[in-house]
Amino acid sequence: QQQVKQSPQSLIVQKGGISIINCAYENTAFDYFPWYQQFPGKGPALLIAIRPDVSEKKEGRFTISFNKSAKQFSLHIMDSQPGDSATYFCAASGGSNYKLTFGKGTLLTVNP
Amino acid sequence: EAQVTQNPRYLITVTGKKLTVTCSQNMNHEYMSWYRQDPGLGLRQIYYSMNVEVTDKGDVPEGYKVSRKEKRNFPLILESPSPNQTSLYFCASTGTGIYEQYFGPGTRLTVT
Repeated sequence: QQQVKQSPQSLIVQKGGISIINCAYENTAFDYFPWYQQFPGKGPALLIAIRPDVSEKKEGRFTISFNKSAKQFSLHIMDSQPGDSATYFCAASGGSNYKLTFGKGTLLTVNP
Repeated sequence: EAQVTQNPRYLITVTGKKLTVTCSQNMNHEYMSWYRQDPGLGLRQIYYSMNVEVTDKGDVPEGYKVSRKEKRNFPLILESPSPNQTSLYFCASTGTGIYEQYFGPGTRLTVT
């Protein structure tokens, strides 16, 4: 049972463009929605996270949009740069055990 | 520097030969967990520990053991590795109420 569905699997964007990655979840007990960025050979690192009491959170070029009624959230990367090329994972967590349920990941390539 | 360390980073072994992957964190975090990452499947939780001497199964615990005798260490034990345990393994930690999980650099395991 996949509780967090992520799309697309891969994404190619030109430098300066907008990258958009979407996730949908099923478990209404989830109350923390982070996005992790992973470069080859490295562990995932927290990029940005949101809680369901807000619909949007922005940090620099990265924005999470959250739609609680649709159980969907998305990552927008504005002015995408070649250095943003990485694998991005959405995740969700809820309850007391801090467990992260991950999407399957999106490989983003930003062409110069 | 706050970090999660894992050893070894790379390991090639044969079916049935017991192995241990160590994980250590220097942030005094109560919560630690192990994930495995496989292509097309994202990251899946193997085991987690809420505190010393408290461990519980994640989503894919079969074939793995863990122990938490000290707060900073959380080793992953494969008593009889099999080829289907060939994967990239990540240890992660977080503190009570922090939610952001810090991941180690990963251990790439190959079982032949």
